[in-house]
Amino acid sequence: GQNIDQPTEMTATEGAIVQINCTYQTSGFNGLFWYQQHAGEAPTFLSYNVLDGLEEKGRFSSFLSRSKGYSYLLLKELQMKDSASYLCAVRVLNNRKLIWGLGTSLAVNP
Amino acid sequence: DVKVTQSSRYLVKRTGEKVFLECVQDMDHENMFWYRQDPGLGLRLIYFSYDVKMKEKGDIPEGYSVSREKKERFSLILESASTNQTSMYLCASSYQGFETQYFGPGTRLLVL
Repeated sequence: GQNIDQPTEMTATEGAIVQINCTYQTSGFNGLFWYQQHAGEAPTFLSYNVLDGLEEKGRFSSFLSRSKGYSYLLLKELQMKDSASYLCAVRVLNNRKLIWGLGTSLAVNP
Repeated sequence: DVKVTQSSRYLVKRTGEKVFLECVQDMDHENMFWYRQDPGLGLRLIYFSYDVKMKEKGDIPEGYSVSREKKERFSLILESASTNQTSMYLCASSYQGFETQYFGPGTRLLVL
């Protein structure tokens, strides 16, 4: 079967660094996405990894290890506005659909 | 910028009514998707379409149908709304071969 695991909730302090993990077991792999979703709003695209390694984009970085079926999203210099749900999604081979994790709800405290 | 719009942000309907949710994208995307999102259950795919007049069932198609007569427009139809279809409905679109999905603002549907 297809499965994606993320922690349900995390808490961090403003200005700190937080790492949100995602592990996946899927039949084939063709890329991993991270999305951010604020309460009551639609998900917005953050990053895409298809090769192993770290992709950096401003305060946000995403890492992928295909051999371990593992990714993380790293958020630096946390701001209150980073309080949101973070969704991990995997594209399997030759498939237009994405398999979605349930999301990690991040609360950033002052 | 990619723009995906949905016909309503909030909708209240009665049990048994026929409900139409419309989604329009302006980026000439081939793929379009309808999801529902419920607390604790995450995003669940209802239907998707990869071309005009083409559709494929997602994970939870029961009680829903779709229509794609034009490339930019993808409609979700609830034939006879039921209270368990109360949910947030999200439309998304993507290019063929580059599967980043871009979402509309969502429609929060309440069925009484």
